Amino acid sequence: DQQVKQNSPSLSVQEGRISILNCDYTNSMFDYFLWYKKYPAEGPTFLISISSIKDKNEDGRFTVFLNKSAKHLSLHIVPSQPGDSAVYFCAASAHSNYQLIWGAGTKLIIKP
Amino acid sequence: EPEVTQTPSHQVTQMGQEVILRCVPISNHLYFYWYRQILGQKVEFLVSFYNNEISEKSEIFDDQFSVERPDGSNFTLKIRSTKLEDSAMYFCASLGGGETQYFGPGTRLLVL
Repeated sequence: DQQVKQNSPSLSVQEGRISILNCDYTNSMFDYFLWYKKYPAEGPTFLISISSIKDKNEDGRFTVFLNKSAKHLSLHIVPSQPGDSAVYFCAASAHSNYQLIWGAGTKLIIKP
Repeated sequence: EPEVTQTPSHQVTQMGQEVILRCVPISNHLYFYWYRQILGQKVEFLVSFYNNEISEKSEIFDDQFSVERPDGSNFTLKIRSTKLEDSAMYFCASLGGGETQYFGPGTRLLVL
């Protein structure tokens, strides 16, 4: 099941610079997309979301962009901080209360 | 800030034994979910629960699994006869009137 893909297993970024995490999806029925952050042995923590009627959502240092025609979304973190080092998951659903379909995650490492 | 809690944090059991994983969702939430993540794999949806009944379930959620909301606060996942391949992190999530599922810290289940 590859409906949601995160093709970069890991990403290393210098502290203070921009981190860009990418996610692609194949199911055109998805209308709600979320980003979660996860530390080892902890549960996913919600970061930011976007519905399919928007192309951008911003919350502090975090911005999510959605390109529906390309079935692609990205998470931008600016500026990146050491505490941002974690695994980031992209998830999607076909309705707000339906099951989430998850990507494989991208491990973000912020270098001091 | 309200949060989803899960107990136990770790559970070790023998193959064939029954286990019950417990979750206390956020108090005013109406939708409840179980997901699991086998080590090194994606997060997978198991089941969703609304209005005291299952609303969605995946192929993984076979007759060995059941869910229950025995009182107004707890939400449980029972595995009747555990198999080695049931070893995973099990996450509970809940959703209120919005569109975001909030996750608990997880229960690490190890089947020997």
